[in-house]
Amino acid sequence: DAKTTQPNSMESNEEEPVHLPCNHSTISGTDYIHWYRQLPSQGPEYVIHGLTSNVNNRMASLAIAEDRKSSTLILHRATLRDAAVYYCILTLPYTGTASKLTFGTGTRLQVTL
Amino acid sequence: DAGVIQSPRHEVTEMGQEVTLRCKPISGHDYLFWYRQTMMRGLELLIYFNNNVPIDDSGMPEDRFSAKMPNASFSTLKIQPSEPRDSAVYFCASSQTSGGAEKNEQFFGPGTRLTVL
Repeated sequence: DAKTTQPNSMESNEEEPVHLPCNHSTISGTDYIHWYRQLPSQGPEYVIHGLTSNVNNRMASLAIAEDRKSSTLILHRATLRDAAVYYCILTLPYTGTASKLTFGTGTRLQVTL
Repeated sequence: DAGVIQSPRHEVTEMGQEVTLRCKPISGHDYLFWYRQTMMRGLELLIYFNNNVPIDDSGMPEDRFSAKMPNASFSTLKIQPSEPRDSAVYFCASSQTSGGAEKNEQFFGPGTRLTVL
């Protein structure tokens, strides 16, 4: 499986944008890039995913490098409720069976007032 | 929808006892996943089911662990006998393949915190 590399931790001030990087230099042409986050004492939750183009949803934006060897999750205005561990995960395209999620160590985001 | 439901939320048991964790997936979801999370190993996939059939159990640590899904709305993860190293948070997740299968979104339950003394 292609691996991802993320910083162990990051800090942000509330109301400021946060850019969470992820390196995946061995990504294959068909791998999807998924982001999940895990709030304290909760199970992980889906944030966003993409293949080649940048993506936006109500939670965040995903910027994917042109060579797809890295991506950045962007929280436009961090709040205290965004403090969580963020996981960048590569998955195979759906081919009739669900793709397994392989969680790494993720990035622990701290948000301060 | 109530989301994925897990019970119990907390379980404390003694070494050697049998432990059964329960999961009710979201109605209509055809995939069910069991994960384990520890500080040392992070979040690991143990086994997953599709339409109640086990598809991949390569993450199950050893024969002491077993999982069943007798119907679409219920699954169990059993540890017999339990050992202190089984102490962890166990998550159940479900997903559906129809409608945006590429999204691969899994919905996680709140987890069961297991402590084996």
